Amino acid sequence: GQQVMQIPQYQHVQEGEDFTTYCNSSTTLSNIQWYKQRPGGHPVFLIQLVKSGEVKKQKRLTFQFGEAKKNSSLHITATQTTDVGTYFCAGSGGTSYGKLTFGQGTILTVHP
Amino acid sequence: DADVTQTPRNRITKTGKRIMLECSQTKGHDRMYWYRQDPGLGLRLIYYSFDVKDINKGEISDGYSVSRQAQAKFSLSLESAIPNQTALYFCATSDRWTVYNEQFFGPGTRLTVL
Repeated sequence: GQQVMQIPQYQHVQEGEDFTTYCNSSTTLSNIQWYKQRPGGHPVFLIQLVKSGEVKKQKRLTFQFGEAKKNSSLHITATQTTDVGTYFCAGSGGTSYGKLTFGQGTILTVHP
Repeated sequence: DADVTQTPRNRITKTGKRIMLECSQTKGHDRMYWYRQDPGLGLRLIYYSFDVKDINKGEISDGYSVSRQAQAKFSLSLESAIPNQTALYFCATSDRWTVYNEQFFGPGTRLTVL
């Protein structure tokens, strides 16, 4: 079945440093979604990427979808303490439309 | 989202007990999902339902069962709980007619099996 791997599992940064998490799928994806889970909270949808090579920005967050639609990344510029949490990628593909396979998540800690 | 509620929020039970986790939504979404979250393993899909008459197994359905009582309600049962089912359980919903088909999660149920 479809597998989605996400690295790193943990990332500690100083406030103001940049952060990147990477996601790789074992199969070609129809789309990829990103979610953020604050400590003690539930996952919240951030964005969806659909097109090969697509790049989307939300303020300090930049999301990319690979040309082969098998990998994606989330980059945060100049992290803030409000960025702490776990970031998940989730892929949907082929006959599994509407069903997401989540990566393991990257836990981001930002030190002030 | 407050539109997706889960009960109970916390539950401690003993090995062998039957337990039901309930999920209700007021978003009018047709699709509902049950996930479990374990440290380092992300969110793993247990069961999903694309409408009231459609129930599908996810990647880790063994030891679990579900019931879709109405469009707004989706329950997860553990017939005979075991300690490795200790986890954080999330219910989620989505709407097939939206552009992104993003999932909206409930607040979670923390289950401990002793």
